[in-house]
Amino acid sequence: QQPVQSPQAVILREGEDAVINCSSSKALYSVHWYRQKHGEAPVFLMILLKGGEQKGHDKISASFNEKKQQSSLYLTASQLSYSGTYFCGTERNTGNQFYFGTGTSLTVIP
Amino acid sequence: DAMVIQNPRYQVTQFGKPVTLSCSQTLNHNVMYWYQQKSSQAPKLLFHYYDKDFNNEADTPDNFQSRRPNTSFCFLDIRSPGLGDAAMYLCATSRDHARSYEQYFGPGTRLTVT
Repeated sequence: QQPVQSPQAVILREGEDAVINCSSSKALYSVHWYRQKHGEAPVFLMILLKGGEQKGHDKISASFNEKKQQSSLYLTASQLSYSGTYFCGTERNTGNQFYFGTGTSLTVIP
Repeated sequence: DAMVIQNPRYQVTQFGKPVTLSCSQTLNHNVMYWYQQKSSQAPKLLFHYYDKDFNNEADTPDNFQSRRPNTSFCFLDIRSPGLGDAAMYLCATSRDHARSYEQYFGPGTRLTVT
């Protein structure tokens, strides 16, 4: 099953923070996060490889709760360039079958 | 420097007329993926190659085929395109298993079926 993301869409003013959640009904072995701008290909943000891991660069970070089968992406002090659709993604068991989450549209306004 | 290249960027084909999309990579990655992405939806995996091993998703229609003649190139063949096949087709690569490695995407091919 495809991971479910929440919220589906969010609008922020520049400088505000946002949290995007990704939940799976299946065990998560790792979690990827990608951002896709309109008409462009997805761009890799980060990967979390094990439960309890937290990562971040600039003002974007993520956490992975393996037991809860959840991951969250944190965007702080949002910039206009953060606008786009954010997807989590995960591999199903073994074999490179990769599934993107349902997506979260994020719009940052001045 | 382009790492994953897709050609053409835009393809218009007629209903039922076979079409081939191509993808090449300069990363020497083991895994190559083909995704279909329709408007306002997440990319959906069609199939992938781990080296020469082909892996088809269970719900990928038989109308879609793929070839990987060497490490660098991968092709998506749509034998008889229908109107419902109009979409963005994304090629991606990763060094190894998706569990541990990020994917690098090409710019995509926008397919229109008339």
